[in-house]
Amino acid sequence: GAGVSQSPSNKVTEKGKDVELRCDPISGHTALYWYRQSLGQGLEFLIYFQGNSAPDKSGLPSDRFSAERTGGSVSTLTIQRTQQEDSAVYLCASSPGTGSWTQYFGPGTRLLVL
Amino acid sequence: DQQVKQNSPSLSVQEGRISILNCDYTNSMFDYFLWYKKYPAEGPTFLISISSIKDKNEDGRFTVFLNKSAKHLSLHIVPSQPGDSAVYFCAASADYGGATNKLIFGTGTLLAVQP
Repeated sequence: GAGVSQSPSNKVTEKGKDVELRCDPISGHTALYWYRQSLGQGLEFLIYFQGNSAPDKSGLPSDRFSAERTGGSVSTLTIQRTQQEDSAVYLCASSPGTGSWTQYFGPGTRLLVL
Repeated sequence: DQQVKQNSPSLSVQEGRISILNCDYTNSMFDYFLWYKKYPAEGPTFLISISSIKDKNEDGRFTVFLNKSAKHLSLHIVPSQPGDSAVYFCAASADYGGATNKLIFGTGTLLAVQP
């Protein structure tokens, strides 16, 4: 079946602009996660959605970052007033949420802030 | 602070030999550990996992060993194949399947298997 998809695959933006990154999880998966990987670093947890529960936003680095998950499916990560240090690969993952918590990752969005 | 550490940024192994990738952690609350494999321009792919109640889990050519007293885990690949060449990430969770379920990742080890 289809895996996790993300769009755009690459995004170049100017400092100060807002960007939106989209994630389509695997159909039926109730849990959705956002991570980011900066150059030379491991994956850093950003936010976690599980069903209708309040999201765990503990990993968001600043209030410029926000995420929504509409209808329990598609998620959008928004970065306002982008800074150069926001440049990274943003990865989305989903997991079934019941019986199996293995996280399946999308290919990521490579964000470059000039 | 880096709670999950992969101190070897790279490893080169001959085809057919054993690859051993190491991972150390500091948080004693971690109770579930995973290995992911990542090819360039792709997302990480789940490889194998182990619960803290076990000390070994095997899946085909891949075996993960957990030493809780040393807070150390390792991934063994036997025999290594050129297609195994990728970046391997160790990850840990203190709340797997729970309210948070977030994974803490190491910085990765680039494995190169030479034909």
